[in-house]
Amino acid sequence: NAGVMQNPRHLVRRRGQEARLRCSPMKGHSHVYWYRQLPEEGLKFMVYLQKENIIDESGMPKERFSAEFPKEGPSILRIQQVVRGDSAAYFCASSTGGQGGQPQHFGDGTRLSIL
Amino acid sequence: AQTVTQSQPEMSVQEAETVTLSCTYDTSESDYYLFWYKQPPSRQMILVIRQEAYKQQNATENRFSVNFQKAAKSFSLKISDSQLGDAAMYFCAYRSSDGTASKLTFGTGTRLQVTL
Repeated sequence: NAGVMQNPRHLVRRRGQEARLRCSPMKGHSHVYWYRQLPEEGLKFMVYLQKENIIDESGMPKERFSAEFPKEGPSILRIQQVVRGDSAAYFCASSTGGQGGQPQHFGDGTRLSIL
Repeated sequence: AQTVTQSQPEMSVQEAETVTLSCTYDTSESDYYLFWYKQPPSRQMILVIRQEAYKQQNATENRFSVNFQKAAKSFSLKISDSQLGDAAMYFCAYRSSDGTASKLTFGTGTRLQVTL
């Protein structure tokens, strides 16, 4: 399967723990986007990364959230000291470039549940 | 900032009939892209159709077509010959042509039910 791979599919954490969400883009894609979907809502942009660079993090909460896309390996979205309000589905998308016409292909998402 | 509005939280269509989902957007840009994504219960986000703002011709993909009205900032999705597998949430999305601002801005979605 050459699609965008996200893992884990489901993640359960207790309040105060850390959550790490992983995203491997499609082969040949060097641009990664993270979105969050709260229950019964649309997807909200969080961060846009290229290899080793954060291009746009305008949608990221100022505290506790961070993202990286290293030279080797998957992109990681990290949430420290999780709270109940972090419960959501987190989607990763990838594309070959940042131009508007290049479609973003989505993974199946990680559903994060906070106990 | 761009905004996308989907004013129909839910729609219903009978199998084999045609349904139109509405989407309006607000932008000051002249060049951009518009998308419709489908999200079935499996939660996958599936690209349905794409429209470039500089193209006057409406995009079509098999049973799916759009009515793009640039002046009115309207981008509706028409599904013809509806099938049970079309039941899903449908999201309209906007994307700037500026490569540094290439995030997707989504509407709140329309839940489509397909009945027998």
